[in-house]
Formats: sequence, structure tokens, C-alpha cells
Amino acid sequence: GESVGLHLPTLSVQEGDNSIINCAYSNSASDYFIWYKQESGKGPQFIIDIRSNMDKRQGQRVTVLLNKTVKHLSLQIAATQPGDSAVYFCAERLNDYKLSFGAGTTVTVRA
Amino acid sequence: GAGVSQSPSNKVTEKGKDVELRCDPISGHTALYWYRQSLGQGLEFLIYFQGNSAPDKSGLPSDRFSAERTGGSVSTLTIQRTQQEDSAVYLCASSPLVGRAGNTIYFGEGSWLTVV
Repeated sequence: GESVGLHLPTLSVQEGDNSIINCAYSNSASDYFIWYKQESGKGPQFIIDIRSNMDKRQGQRVTVLLNKTVKHLSLQIAATQPGDSAVYFCAERLNDYKLSFGAGTTVTVRA
Repeated sequence: GAGVSQSPSNKVTEKGKDVELRCDPISGHTALYWYRQSLGQGLEFLIYFQGNSAPDKSGLPSDRFSAERTGGSVSTLTIQRTQQEDSAVYLCASSPLVGRAGNTIYFGEGSWLTVV
């Protein structure tokens, strides 16, 4: 499943399929980006980050892609599992310390 | 502790009362942040502390909001004369580094404030 376009607030994906969550960021000077996962009633949990001098970074079952030309960030989740159901936020660092967050995408995994 | 600790986890207060929310960052982390998250919304920056530097208070929504950080560790966010629109989850976060070398920010579980 994929959230097509700049951003969609919800994404429904079949268990076992790959998920792609998209995010557009606002500041071309941002140099650091983070994806967070937030489960209901909990704080945001760090998933993966990427610096602006990279265009791809891989973690365990997750990959972040950065396209600075169009100011676009995506998170790919391989073999989506029920435990991946959550709200996913992208964040960009606007200066040395302040993060600005996107609106979030709610991912629902269908069994 | 292993993570950012916040208390109380839930607080219901009457309109007009003052509330204090506490944050204990990860040990050794020099930077501390407060964010606010309204229901179904993204995270809104409130305030940032780094060492002994003057805090960045640019995100505080009104003068009813204040925060302090004592001894470079524990922080308290105070909301005076609470209003119903203050109802939200208040998230604290900390990070070990500052600057462009890397700045992974770790969040606590949040304090859910309800003003009735």
C-alpha cells in the first residue's frame, strides 16, 4: 500500500505487503529528517533518521528515501505486520535543534 | 531511567486552575524539549532547553505557559489559569547532542491534560 501524492492522512495495507508513507517537507535548508511511529496512547517512537547528504538509508524492515530536489521524504516498511499499525510522523530539523512535524499518516494493517 | 519519564501521565483539572507537568530526561542528555499534541494533530513545538543557554521559548502559545529546567536535568512545564483549549498531550523529549553532528530526539509517553 502507498499513500499517493504529497500526503494522505490514512493508509490501509494488507498484512505482508510493503507500505510506503510519503511526506513533503517545507524548508530546503533542513539538514536532518526523522520518522517517528506513534501508537495509541503512547509517545512518538524513533524509527529511522537520515541526513541531507544521503538519499537512502536502511534499517530493520524500514527504508527512508530522501529527494531534496522536490523536498520529499518517504518511509518504506517491508512485509507490514499488525504491530505496524500506528500513526507515522515525519519531522525535519529547521535549525540546530528544532524539529517541525508533519500532520501524520495513520496506517492500518488488514489481516 | 532508560527513557524520558513524564508525570503525571493523566491530569484532569478545572478551568482556571494551575497545573504543573514534570519531565525527567534521559540521563546525560543535554537538550530538552516540550511539544504539545492536540487530539488527532501533529506535534507543536513549545520550548527548548540546552545546557546553561537561554531557552528558546518561541513556541509557548501565551504568557500563561512557562517552563524551567533545574540543574540541567528535570524540567517543569507550568500552565496558569488553564483553559479548555489547553487540553492536549504534553510531550517531553531529550537528545544527547546539539548541532549539526546529529540530534536524535527521544520522546516520553506524554502527560494527557484535560481541562473541564
